[in-house]
This record gives sequence, structure tokens and C-alpha cells, in this order.
Amino acid sequence: SQKIEQNSEALNIQEGKTATLTCNYTNYSPAYLQWYRQDPGRGPVFLLLIRENEKEKRKERLKVTFDTTLKQSLFHITASQPADSATYLCARSNTGKLIFGQGTTLQVKP
Amino acid sequence: DTGVSQNPRHKITKRGQNVTFRCDPISEHNRLYWYRQTLGQGPEFLTYFQNEAQLEKSRLLSDRFSAERPKGSFSTLEIQRTEQGDSAMYLCASSLNSYRGDNEQFFGPGTRLTVL
Repeated sequence: SQKIEQNSEALNIQEGKTATLTCNYTNYSPAYLQWYRQDPGRGPVFLLLIRENEKEKRKERLKVTFDTTLKQSLFHITASQPADSATYLCARSNTGKLIFGQGTTLQVKP
Repeated sequence: DTGVSQNPRHKITKRGQNVTFRCDPISEHNRLYWYRQTLGQGPEFLTYFQNEAQLEKSRLLSDRFSAERPKGSFSTLEIQRTEQGDSAMYLCASSLNSYRGDNEQFFGPGTRLTVL
């Protein structure tokens, strides 16, 4: 089956450090990967989209990479802040619907 | 508020009852999606509409689930004869049309269903 896998263990880092989250996919090459942020009790919020022909995408303190050889996307938050604490979801998209990974919870400690 | 809205926000029901949820998408969005999310998992795709046409329905979706979008605006999701396993957060999202899959989706706050 076509899977999206994220590290289910929570990631704890110190404020100011760079957080790196991993998204792996198997058995296919998605045309696009999207990253969303989800806070408890709320719906996901779109952050970034990266296409398979793009190696890297940036938005303010966020950076996403797409390595089709490793079948992996990395999501980086530089200069992390406690307000960045949330669950981050990776999703593949084709024809519109999203297939999500299980999400990784990030906790940034002051 | 011009975002996606969902009602009710919370629903508690007894096993065997029917429930209906409503989603109002962003007005100019012609695509509307339903997802289900359980604790510790990512949202799971259920079904989606383009305007009033239901284009895809997950194979995992039981016949007890039905969704409509009668005028291409708001949508309803009905669950008949609810079971405890239906307890979850039901999320609605909307987007502009894109056949390439590169559409950003805007999610509502969700309806949390608890089946006793």
C-alpha cells in the first residue's frame, strides 16, 4: 500500500534550536508533499507544499526538503520557540485528497 | 469569520442512534472534503465533493456513512446506527479545484463525536 510514515515519538528540543521532523513514503513517488500544523482540539493548518521536482522550499523559519532517492521529506523549524509546540503532519496529495502520516508532536522547552 | 465552519462542535450519542454533521466551506471553494481523526493518528480521508458531485469515497467507509452537498455549498455527513468505533473527530476541509493535487486545504475546527 502507499504509505506515509512519520516518527510517532514526540520530539523535545530546547528553545532556539532547530527542530527536524521526518516523513517517509513507500511504494510510490508522490507528486507533492504537504506539511500541516495541528494544535490540540483544532483542525490542521497548511504550512508548506513541495513538488517532486523541488529539492527545497522555505517560508520564514520553516524549510522543507524532498529527496526522491531516499523517499523522504524533512521539515525544519529554525530558531524554535515554545509557540512552535504542536503536532506536525505530513501528507501526500494527488488528485486533491490528502493521505496523512500519523503526525509528530514537537515540544519546544523554554 | 470567513473560514470553514462545522456544527455541532461536540456530539454525544448512544450506540445505535443516527447523527448528522454540517460543514460550511469557504464560499469560493468548489472542493469539500471529509476526514476522520482518532487520537494519536493523522486525519483519514473519507470522501470529497467537487461542487455537488461526490467524486470519491474511501473503501474503508461503511455503508452507514453518507455525505451530501446538495447545492454545491454546505455539506452534511450522516452516520446511521452509530457504533462505539465511530467515536472520533470529524474534520471538514475545503479548497479551490486542482486536478494536480497541489491544492492547499483549509480545515474546519472539527466535530468531536462520542458514542456511548
